[in-house]
Amino acid sequence: EVVLTQSPATLSLSPGDRATLSCRASQSVRTSLAWYQQQPGQAPRLLIYDASNRATDIPARFSGTGSGTDFSLTISSLEPEDSAVYYCQQSSNWPPTFGPGTKLEIK
Amino acid sequence: EVQLIESGGGLVQPGGSLRLSCVASGFSLEQYAVHWVRQTPGKGLEWVSGISWKSGSLGYAESVLGRFTMTRDTAKTSIYLHMNSLRSEDTALYYCAKASRPLATISAFDVWGQGTVVTVSS
Repeated sequence: EVVLTQSPATLSLSPGDRATLSCRASQSVRTSLAWYQQQPGQAPRLLIYDASNRATDIPARFSGTGSGTDFSLTISSLEPEDSAVYYCQQSSNWPPTFGPGTKLEIK
Repeated sequence: EVQLIESGGGLVQPGGSLRLSCVASGFSLEQYAVHWVRQTPGKGLEWVSGISWKSGSLGYAESVLGRFTMTRDTAKTSIYLHMNSLRSEDTALYYCAKASRPLATISAFDVWGQGTVVTVSS
């Protein structure tokens, strides 16, 4: 199965900062990569699908890039409510797999 | 409103059985596959199984193969996860999640339920 690695494990930034989260796949997943945000006590929320497409009602400050094995999620100007764990997930190869997550803390 | 509501979790002894339910509304189960994804503090998010109306079972994670079965009801509103021979490592928060792409066997998950907790312990 495809193994996804996320870095950094934890990121601590201030409101207004730019955040860049990375996801690397053990083999090519083309552009079949999604990003999710999970806030404490809540289910994951789809942010980005197909590497760069924002899901419904997702603010424009969230953007995704990448293809093949290397992907990034960028949050252009952090808001306090962006504090969460962010997961990537591939849907290129069976079974679907998730990365271990990056915890983003807003100072 | 597109919604998924899980139920059926609880405390069960090792070796026991449990049936989880997921009621879907606001979309057609004939068009979109539904999957079970579980979450533990130690292992993060793990896909468990998926089902589509057209194809039936889409498969199971190796960790649950032969012990878990996913079914759907004829009213086309609910799916179920039948869990047998439960182990301590099955302890998790179980979510059902809707495929983002119609008729896709594998995709992102654009709608999630609130989850139901399964605890396997003596």
